[in-house]
Amino acid sequence: EPEVTQTPSHQVTQMGQEVILRCVPISNHLYFYWYRQILGQKVEFLVSFYNNEISEKSEIFDDQFSVERPDGSNFTLKIRSTKLEDSAMYFCASSLAGEISTDTQYFGPGTRLTVL
Amino acid sequence: DAKTTQPPSMDCAEGRAANLPCNHSTISGNEYVYWYRQIHSQGPQYIIHGLKNNETNEMASLIITEDRKSSTLILPHATLRDTAVYYCIVRSRGGSQGNLIFGKGTKLSVKP
Repeated sequence: EPEVTQTPSHQVTQMGQEVILRCVPISNHLYFYWYRQILGQKVEFLVSFYNNEISEKSEIFDDQFSVERPDGSNFTLKIRSTKLEDSAMYFCASSLAGEISTDTQYFGPGTRLTVL
Repeated sequence: DAKTTQPPSMDCAEGRAANLPCNHSTISGNEYVYWYRQIHSQGPQYIIHGLKNNETNEMASLIITEDRKSSTLILPHATLRDTAVYYCIVRSRGGSQGNLIFGKGTKLSVKP
C-alpha cells in the first residue's frame, strides 16, 4: 500500500539554524500539507500546497517557514531560523485531489525536530 | 477551534466492541465526519468518513444519527494495538480548504 514517507525521523539543531524537513507524498497525489504537534498538544495545521503554490496557511506559518516541491517527488518544509518553540513533531500529508470523493489526507510518520 | 466534542478517555476490554462517541451539533449540510487515530505520536491514521449514511470498512463502522448532530465510531473487536487517541473531525470536502482541525480526541485504552 502506498504511503507518505518523511526524512529524517529525528532532527536536532541549534537555535537560529536553518532546517529542511523532507517528505515524499503518495505518488499520484496532488495536494500536500504540513502539520505540527508540540509535545502533549493538538495536531495543528501549518500549510497546504497545490499546483506549486500555497493554497492555505495558518497563523503559525509565518515568514520563517517556507515550502517547496523541488522535483516531482519531494515536498519540503524549511524553517529559516529555528526557535526553541519550533521543537515539535512535523507531519506531512497528501491527498489525491480536492474533489468530493478523493481528498482524504494520508499522513507520514513524522519528523521530530528538537531545537537546542 | 474543533467543531466536535469527544470524551477525553475511554477504556475497552480486548475483544469487545469499542464505541467512541462524537458530538457535532453545529455540523452543516455539506460537512463530512472524519475519524483519524494517532498511536503514540505516530502520524495520524485515517480510519473512515461519512456524510449521512452509515459507513463500514475493514477497520471500523461509522454510525451517524439521522439529524447528523452526533456519530459513533465502532471498532468491532478491539485489540491492544487499537490503543490510541481517536479524533473526530468535521470538515467540508473539496476546494482549496484542505486543513484538518484536530481537537484533543478520545484516548482509548484497550485492556487485556
